[in-house]
Amino acid sequence: EPEVTQTPSHQVTQMGQEVILRCVPISNHLYFYWYRQILGQKVEFLVSFYNNEISEKSEIFDDQFSVERPDGSNFTLKIRSTKLEDSAMYFCASSEDRVGYTFGSGTRLTVV
Amino acid sequence: QKEVEQDPGPLSVPEGAIVSLNCTYSNSAFQYFMWYRQYSRKGPELLMYTYSSGNKEDGRFTAQVDKSSKYISLFIRDSQPSDSATYLCAIPYYGNNRLAFGKGNQVVVIP
Repeated sequence: EPEVTQTPSHQVTQMGQEVILRCVPISNHLYFYWYRQILGQKVEFLVSFYNNEISEKSEIFDDQFSVERPDGSNFTLKIRSTKLEDSAMYFCASSEDRVGYTFGSGTRLTVV
Repeated sequence: QKEVEQDPGPLSVPEGAIVSLNCTYSNSAFQYFMWYRQYSRKGPELLMYTYSSGNKEDGRFTAQVDKSSKYISLFIRDSQPSDSATYLCAIPYYGNNRLAFGKGNQVVVIP
């Protein structure tokens, strides 16, 4: 069964540092997403990406965040200057049809 | 976000029982309704989705949509310990560019 792969599984970073979370979506999928889940809260949408550009972003996705598809397989989320409140599980997802999403296992980001 | 609400209370049931989970949603224009299962330390996994109203069955799982009440349900028959997980309802909106999730119900099936 094809899967979405995320690395690293856990990242600890100091406040103010930049982090890059990496994802390899399913190869024939065209739509890519980042979601996050703060402990005890809902899974929240961050951004969707299609045809090499952002198609939708949430209020959370401010100038500190950026996404990139640097090559044909990777999809990255960069947080420029991390804050304590960025600590969360970050999930990458991809979809063939914008209906059925496949999520990765997530990266747990801890900002100290 | 208030697009979909799910009472997040945990649920413990004995093996073999029927599990019933519910969500309400806000916008009558929503068309797709999804249920995800999330095991500990894993991402959400799509269980099933329905389009518009009615029921959909997949093995021991049944998803139901009542558009008049803006109410969606998931039933798990003959529950197994392996069904122990968090179940999240989700609805795509903004032209299907994003999913709104409920808070999730943690289900524990006791052998």
